[in-house]
Amino acid sequence: DAGVIQSPRHEVTEMGQEVTLRCKPISGHDYLFWYRQTMMRGLELLIYFNNNVPIDDSGMPEDRFSAKMPNASFSTLKIQPSEPRDSAVYFCASSGTAAEAFFGQGTRLTVV
Amino acid sequence: QKEVEQNSGPLSVPEGAIASLNCTYSDRGSQSFFWYRQYSGKSPELIMFIYSNGDKEDGRFTAQLNKASQYVSLLIRDSQPSDSATYLCAVRGNTPLVFGKGTRLSVIA
Repeated sequence: DAGVIQSPRHEVTEMGQEVTLRCKPISGHDYLFWYRQTMMRGLELLIYFNNNVPIDDSGMPEDRFSAKMPNASFSTLKIQPSEPRDSAVYFCASSGTAAEAFFGQGTRLTVV
Repeated sequence: QKEVEQNSGPLSVPEGAIASLNCTYSDRGSQSFFWYRQYSGKSPELIMFIYSNGDKEDGRFTAQLNKASQYVSLLIRDSQPSDSATYLCAVRGNTPLVFGKGTRLSVIA
């Protein structure tokens, strides 16, 4: 298996622009997680899905953030409008059991 | 608020020594405990998990769990320069993984 695949690997955008991050989980995994990592706050859970259904989005910082999972093999995290404080590394992870999580390579987002 | 605490380090050990990484957690209902390794600029990689009190060994790595003290540790024997990374402790109860901020380990050749 190729593992969790995220795109793009790097994104630089201007404040106010819409940003869409993409994730393909490991085939057969029922759980998908979106995390954000910064030096100050570490790795924070934003939202997670079980069988394509959002279960807990309490970690989504603001209404500017939204996530979808239209099918078992694809998820998006959208930020609209983006702000400089959104700059971070965004990780997607998947799991077959909601126990351990297997991470993608991450998307490094810079908002200028 | 479920919290996982780790000393940020850096923890410096000489090559061949034992590195000891520690983690405490606040949620007594936590059931599963994980150690991830993260190299600079890379994604977290699972290296160990433990569910029961006591020790669990895997090669040079030993995870130790004490639920009464809400304490998890990771020992790395015969530390190598390639072990230099940030080690993240993660805990799961009724919610998905909650991560500590990590301890940066530096193994000096």
